[in-house]
Amino acid sequence: QVQLVQSGAEVKKPGASVKVSCEASGYTFSDYDIIWVRQATGQGLEWMGWMSPSSGSSGSAQRFQGRITMTRETSISTAYMELRSLRSEDSAVYYCARQGQSSDHWGQGTLVTVSS
Amino acid sequence: DIQMTQSPSTLSASVGDRVSITCRASQEIYTWLAWFQQEPGKAPNLLIYQASTLQSGVPSRFSGSRSGTEFTLTISSLQPEDFATYHCQQYFTYPYTFGQGTKLEIK
Repeated sequence: QVQLVQSGAEVKKPGASVKVSCEASGYTFSDYDIIWVRQATGQGLEWMGWMSPSSGSSGSAQRFQGRITMTRETSISTAYMELRSLRSEDSAVYYCARQGQSSDHWGQGTLVTVSS
Repeated sequence: DIQMTQSPSTLSASVGDRVSITCRASQEIYTWLAWFQQEPGKAPNLLIYQASTLQSGVPSRFSGSRSGTEFTLTISSLQPEDFATYHCQQYFTYPYTFGQGTKLEIK
């Protein structure tokens, strides 16, 4: 069965960077884009960006451009999302999802806390 | 960016009720609209894609429809496990924007 397993919770100081991983299994990793979505506590879902595992191409929402990098390691079917220059407003649960029939499979989420 | 306006933000209903949630897109997105259900502390779960196609394994009491740029999620007879938060998302063009969410509460 399709599974996306994300890395564990992180606590970072303002100005630092965080890198979240998303390991895919149960399907051919290169066949589907991976998207990244975040959700601050009590808030709605915010789409951050996408990455093509086959080509490595990516794109992000404008508000994250210059701060976000999405990469992959195809040999281990893993996608990564790095967010730099963290601020308190970046505290949220970060999700990866497979973009098949819409976002049809999601990781369990990674809590990132930004605090001094 | 395409704005997705979802309403209501909160909906109180009882088991057995028929309820509807609406999402309006700020521009044409054709049928590139998905609905997700999210329980507290869990990842979103895809219910409907392409505006009206039920994801595999989703109960048939869930349905989706489209009228122009207005989309509706209907639950025909609420079950206890349906009390959750619902999100719409357009995936016509990047960035794939979400509505604000609708929390479905027990009356």
